[in-house]
Amino acid sequence: AQSVTQLGSHVSVSEGALVLLRCNYSSSVPPYLFWYVQYPNQGLQLLLKYTSAATLVKGINGFEAEFKKSETSFHLTKPSAHMSDAAEYFCAVSALSGGYNKLIFGAGTRLAVHP
Amino acid sequence: DTEVTQTPKHLVMGMTNKKSLKCEQHMGHRAMYWYKQKAKKPPELMFVYSYEKLSINESVPSRFSPECPNSSLLNLHLHALQPEDSALYLCASSQEPGLASYEQYFGPGTRLTVT
Repeated sequence: AQSVTQLGSHVSVSEGALVLLRCNYSSSVPPYLFWYVQYPNQGLQLLLKYTSAATLVKGINGFEAEFKKSETSFHLTKPSAHMSDAAEYFCAVSALSGGYNKLIFGAGTRLAVHP
Repeated sequence: DTEVTQTPKHLVMGMTNKKSLKCEQHMGHRAMYWYKQKAKKPPELMFVYSYEKLSINESVPSRFSPECPNSSLLNLHLHALQPEDSALYLCASSQEPGLASYEQYFGPGTRLTVT
């Protein structure tokens, strides 16, 4: 069975500091991995996805993630945090169940950015 | 256009009411999903529609009744709900139901309160 684990339910950074949100996956097949962001009282927005084309994936809003098979990780980074990055971030792996695509989410990491 | 729309944005209903949530996408996607999200939790999959047919029901109580009238529309009919059903209900769509590499696009959600 496929799963993802997000390390750290809360992360707090200063504005301008590096953002690092951790995600580890478990999968018996090459995984398809996603990062989504959710702002308060909104739906989920896709930040980026890994589909085996390149191990370093660039997404929207200056975020990127690196797929490391040896570490089974797909951590999300941004060089310089902005106040507007404060949100909930979900790592997810895509799995086929009965022939149909399902997203399996991690528990989420709440990012706080302080001045 | 990568937009999924949901109406209403907010809904308050009594336990004896019947109401419906509506979701619409015009991206030509053939898979549509309903999720339930409780506060500070990741979304939980409820239903998957593939080519307008119900493909996955994640053991959801019968007081939730999904319907897919056409390839662009997805409804969730609600009847005799319980207060614990209060949550954010998210709709999503993806291009192909059987390919794990395709991302899901989420709507803004309907905030449901059952009194």
